[in-house]
Amino acid sequence: AQSVTQLDSQVPVFEEAPVELRCNYSSSVSVYLFWYVQYPNQGLQLLLKYLSGSTLVKGINGFEAEFNKSQTSFHLRKPSVHISDTAEYFCAVTPTSGTYKYIFGTGTRLKVLA
Amino acid sequence: EAQVTQNPRYLITVTGKKLTVTCSQNMNHEYMSWYRQDPGLGLRQIYYSMNVEVTDKGDVPEGYKVSRKEKRNFPLILESPSPNQTSLYFCASRGQGSTEAFFGQGTRLTVV
Repeated sequence: AQSVTQLDSQVPVFEEAPVELRCNYSSSVSVYLFWYVQYPNQGLQLLLKYLSGSTLVKGINGFEAEFNKSQTSFHLRKPSVHISDTAEYFCAVTPTSGTYKYIFGTGTRLKVLA
Repeated sequence: EAQVTQNPRYLITVTGKKLTVTCSQNMNHEYMSWYRQDPGLGLRQIYYSMNVEVTDKGDVPEGYKVSRKEKRNFPLILESPSPNQTSLYFCASRGQGSTEAFFGQGTRLTVV
């Protein structure tokens, strides 16, 4: 079985400041890892994904994440946030084989302050 | 344009009145699923389908039904909605061999 933990339910940050959203996962099998963003009143949009290879992955809108296998983490970072980054961010995993199911974390609400 | 389309986007209904939320995808994806999103709980899978006429329960299936008569459509049926089914619902699809799931815009359901 898999589980995903996002410890921070809300993260306030000032505009142009850096931000890190934390994600830890647990799985007995290999997984792919994802970050999705949900803007107000919209669906989920893929920010970035880790499948294999380089542990630092870059996504859209200047976001990046680093996969750390030993710490089973996949933290999301952005060096300088904008007001438009205000949204809810979900970390998710899916096993590399055997099932197509996604397992989501509980989400982190990023609030960018002017 | 590749997309997953849900209808309606918003729905207010009364307890016990049967309703259907439709989901359609135009990417010829084999795998489709329904999730509900609740504050503090993230997204939880309700039902999924691996292909036409193949469906199975997810983590929170109670009170829901689904069908998959055509590859592109995967409706979610609430036979007798109750207030605890008030939630934001998402349909998703994923192609066989693909790693990425595509999500619909969501359906906000309120049961009073």
